[in-house]
Amino acid sequence: NAGVTQTPKFQVLKTGQSMTLQCAQDMNHEYMSWYRQDPGMGLRLIHYSVGAGITDQGEVPNGYNVSRSTTEDFPLRLLSAAPSQTSVYFCASSRQGAGGYTFGSGTRLTVV
Amino acid sequence: GENVEQHPSTLSVQEGDSAVIKCTYSDSASNYFPWYKQELGKGPQLIIDIRSNVGEKKDQRIAVTLNKTAKHFSLHITETQPEDSAVYFCAASRGGNFGNEKLTFGTGTRLTIIP
Repeated sequence: NAGVTQTPKFQVLKTGQSMTLQCAQDMNHEYMSWYRQDPGMGLRLIHYSVGAGITDQGEVPNGYNVSRSTTEDFPLRLLSAAPSQTSVYFCASSRQGAGGYTFGSGTRLTVV
Repeated sequence: GENVEQHPSTLSVQEGDSAVIKCTYSDSASNYFPWYKQELGKGPQLIIDIRSNVGEKKDQRIAVTLNKTAKHFSLHITETQPEDSAVYFCAASRGGNFGNEKLTFGTGTRLTIIP
């Protein structure tokens, strides 16, 4: 039981490049979400999904896309990277109604 | 939407003393309030949570209190130890029902335990 697995752990992108941050969970959790963590700003919700085929925007969705084709996977796509997207990205999952999230170990992204 | 404020942003405590972190929230419909601990280079980890039908919950040295009328909740750590040094986040959600799992987080408190 691996929990929530995020890849890669570190990534450096040039402005304008695109990439996909991977997130997979093996707990059969219905709910998955992506947060970004910036100094002094806590964790801000980018996108979330309540089940396969269902996604919705969070607080800071601009510049990011998501899809949820399976229960296990919830990739986050950066369409055209900008320096403002330099951050640490966390994926989290939970059972419907359970409340407590299980977080991945994060992806540290730097856009130059 | 929900807004969660957390204080203080930094807290230094002598080993063995108690630490208290406070949060306020704005959405009166919020009914689930978890606390997370984040160690350096790791993802946040749930340490305790409380639902709106109780006023206090304890787990060994950690306790959380909730005042729904005032819309604030607090984390209490007693007999602090060096391994308690970390960043702590409070959060709130309407939780419990389909589609209400979204958590809004506070901005975090960096707790340092002084040996």
